[in-house]
Amino acid sequence: DTEVTQTPKHLVMGMTNKKSLKCEQHMGHRAMYWYKQKAKKPPELMFVYSYEKLSINESVPSRFSPECPNSSLLNLHLHALQPEDSALYLCASSQTSGSSYNEQFFGPGTRLTVL
Amino acid sequence: SQKIEQNSEALNIQEGKTATLTCNYTNYSPAYLQWYRQDPGRGPVFLLLIRENEKEKRKERLKVTFDTTLKQSLFHITASQPADSATYLCALANSGGYQKVTFGTGTKLQVIP
Repeated sequence: DTEVTQTPKHLVMGMTNKKSLKCEQHMGHRAMYWYKQKAKKPPELMFVYSYEKLSINESVPSRFSPECPNSSLLNLHLHALQPEDSALYLCASSQTSGSSYNEQFFGPGTRLTVL
Repeated sequence: SQKIEQNSEALNIQEGKTATLTCNYTNYSPAYLQWYRQDPGRGPVFLLLIRENEKEKRKERLKVTFDTTLKQSLFHITASQPADSATYLCALANSGGYQKVTFGTGTKLQVIP
């Protein structure tokens, strides 16, 4: 199984709502990533988890709260978002072996619209 | 600050020709340079990786070159097909293990039958 799944595919939320994005992989990868991608722009790294611990936070606002409950799951909790947070949110995973490059496998993304 | 630029936002070529995409970077010393393909509404898909000490890599109809002096990579698709139409992203990483990957601006390739 070389697939990263993300749910939901689409999400519309108001600025006062609380919602969560979910990501799952069963490739045995111990690194998981969240990216944000605005239209016609490249993906921008938000968070990296390695062995279920937060390793990188790219100065993301606290209204985005990541969680890695186990090695297969990654969540992104959303609260009090702004309309400018509307974007495609991509999850990815990779191995963490040694000093060599580890290919990242991306999910299909969740299209988020904040009203 | 680090900057990764791809030569054009869009590139149209005739089917059967070779498409050449360019990736230039500044203020970066990457250990790895990768190329990804992204279709509309989908996540990027990894295509090829080249390391800083390699000059060229090939995979089927794809070829990547890496010039660390010029700080440039060229990505070639030979005998292009309409199915190759997509956005192509170059990406840089400077470490192994789990990577902090920075993506370029992307080039949307359209192969015209």
